[in-house]
Amino acid sequence: SQQGEEDPQALSIQEGENATMNCSYKTSINNLQWYRQNSGRGLVHLILIRSNEREKHSGRLRVTLDTSKKSSSLLITASRAADTASYFCATPIIQGAQKLVFGQGTRLTINP
Amino acid sequence: GAGVSQSPRYKVAKRGQDVALRCDPISGHVSLFWYQQALGQGPEFLTYFQNEAQLDKSGLPSDRFFAERPEGSVSTLKIQRTQQEDSAVYLCASSRDRHLSNQPQHFGDGTRLSIL
Repeated sequence: SQQGEEDPQALSIQEGENATMNCSYKTSINNLQWYRQNSGRGLVHLILIRSNEREKHSGRLRVTLDTSKKSSSLLITASRAADTASYFCATPIIQGAQKLVFGQGTRLTINP
Repeated sequence: GAGVSQSPRYKVAKRGQDVALRCDPISGHVSLFWYQQALGQGPEFLTYFQNEAQLDKSGLPSDRFFAERPEGSVSTLKIQRTQQEDSAVYLCASSRDRHLSNQPQHFGDGTRLSIL
């Protein structure tokens, strides 16, 4: 079963615009992670935000976390064609292991 | 190696055949994970190794699925008597330490398995 739900499922924007993706989760967490997946490739870790953080930046990425609403958002500013990919949020489930539970992902298309 | 390596990249098998998928994690990484990813979905956890010990296999769909990591490095995921619903991308990931959730997992490019 998947814990996270991304919204929207698909997003298509023009190059240079900002892209915002949202993620909701169900259980308590100690951190939330965002990953990117290019078509036919594995997942690449983008950013991790801890439960005591509200906002985190990394280059053109901005992540927010609202633990009261059990939601997170990923903002990509000044999008580029190379940002075209699927984006997943993931939360670790700590039950003797550190497995990640992923959402269904947002498919982002950047049009040149 | 520089990253996680998986082989083969593509595997086609007839229903009922056995398949073996290989994962070479990043050298020195203690933790190794297998995930299954259906088309258009996020990855779903299958099993977890800490060195050679399989600490969690709660995600394995049936007893037809078996994973091992005998020397604490390379891992093999074996599927016996394959069925069409086993068709998916199988992803392997590794991370440096154990029992630490605050670290990223490094993924291979996966094996795309198609069962005819």
